[in-house]
Amino acid sequence: QVQLQESGPGLVKPSETLSLTCTVSGGSISSYYWTWIRQSPGKGLEWIGYIYYSGSTNYNPSLKSRVTISVDTSKNQFSLNLNSVTAADTAVYYCARSTGDWFDPWGQGTLVTVSS
Amino acid sequence: EIVLTQSPGTLSLSPGERATLSCRASQSVSSSYLAWYQQKPGQAPRLLMYGASNRATGIPDRFSGSGSGTDFTLTISRLEPEDFAVYYCQQYGSSLLTFGGGTKVEIK
Repeated sequence: QVQLQESGPGLVKPSETLSLTCTVSGGSISSYYWTWIRQSPGKGLEWIGYIYYSGSTNYNPSLKSRVTISVDTSKNQFSLNLNSVTAADTAVYYCARSTGDWFDPWGQGTLVTVSS
Repeated sequence: EIVLTQSPGTLSLSPGERATLSCRASQSVSSSYLAWYQQKPGQAPRLLMYGASNRATGIPDRFSGSGSGTDFTLTISRLEPEDFAVYYCQQYGSSLLTFGGGTKVEIK
């Protein structure tokens, strides 16, 4: 069965870029939509955006100016870049597979803290 | 943006009891495009239901979903010890996908 695993720095300085990678195992990334979601105490679950394996994207308008999601089919990975981060971007970041509708399965999540 | 409001915030019940969770949308969710997730402490959310009433693979039949338009319900017919968790609804009827704030089902 498909499994997803997030990786990346757990600490990012304010104004810098948060970069995470999600590695997909047990299946090909060359179908479905691949999604980033975050969860913070203050804002609950927030959909960040997704990328189709072909490269088309859809982002949450509230984050669109700062977000880039990319896919590397040769490595079965997709990535998140979020620039100009502030403390409000501190959250657990999840990657997930999507039909473009619901999310299943999810990675275990990775905590990213924005602090100097 | 479709805002989802879940109630109650916390539900205190005993094992074996019936749980009824509500998710209300700020505008109609087209074609019942609503999903439910279960999240336990330290874990990622797990898909329970999609299309408002369709159980995901491996989800026991004590879980059921219903509703349309702006009002949706997740029912757990008889609570098992492993069902005590936080439950979230999520709509996919618009291009901006949104989640509700969650209902915590705790042991009374």
